[in-house]
Amino acid sequence: DQQVKQNSPSLSVQEGRISILNCDYTNSMFDYFLWYKKYPAEGPTFLISISSIKDKNEDGRFTVFLNKSAKHLSLHIVPSQPGDSAVYFCAARWGGKLIFGQGTELSVKP
Amino acid sequence: GAVVSQHPSRVICKSGTSVKIECRSLDFQATTMFWYRQFPKKSLMLMATSNEGSKATYEQGVEKDKFLINHASLTLSTLTVTSAHPEDSSFYICSARADNRGMSTEAFFGQGTRLTVV
Repeated sequence: DQQVKQNSPSLSVQEGRISILNCDYTNSMFDYFLWYKKYPAEGPTFLISISSIKDKNEDGRFTVFLNKSAKHLSLHIVPSQPGDSAVYFCAARWGGKLIFGQGTELSVKP
Repeated sequence: GAVVSQHPSRVICKSGTSVKIECRSLDFQATTMFWYRQFPKKSLMLMATSNEGSKATYEQGVEKDKFLINHASLTLSTLTVTSAHPEDSSFYICSARADNRGMSTEAFFGQGTRLTVV
């Protein structure tokens, strides 16, 4: 049973435009949500997180939105840059453990 | 941010042999480390939680006799894949929390180890 789902395996965006990556979850007990960026053959790098009691957190070009009623979160990157091209994982925390989605491969074209 | 070092980055071994992967937290003490496995185009699957000085807690479906985890110190955890078979070929990643109370929202990841069993 996949508790954290990223239904879009890939996303292609033009440089300078907004990238929106989506994530859905099923467990209402998750207390934190995190986004990680990952390059091939490397470990994930932390990007941004949000507490389950908030609905928005912003850090530079990255903003995460949380809709608890819909059990949905999204990561907005604006403006998108070619260096943002990577696989993005959303993760949810429960009992100290992180549960990851399947990842979305973002490609930002110049 | 905190640094987690994983070694080796790539290893090729013969079927039936054992392989040890090390995970070190370089600039902080980690009472808890996690081991993940990633299949191609798939999510990171949590295999086990490694606690310093005690036995690891394995996720359902993970064979603890096959994937031996040792957390000998506050900065080192090891994963040993015993009697490796080709189906064990995968990308293994460790992570560690910098906050020993378990309240940190961040987990720092190692670089990962690509294991190929031939």
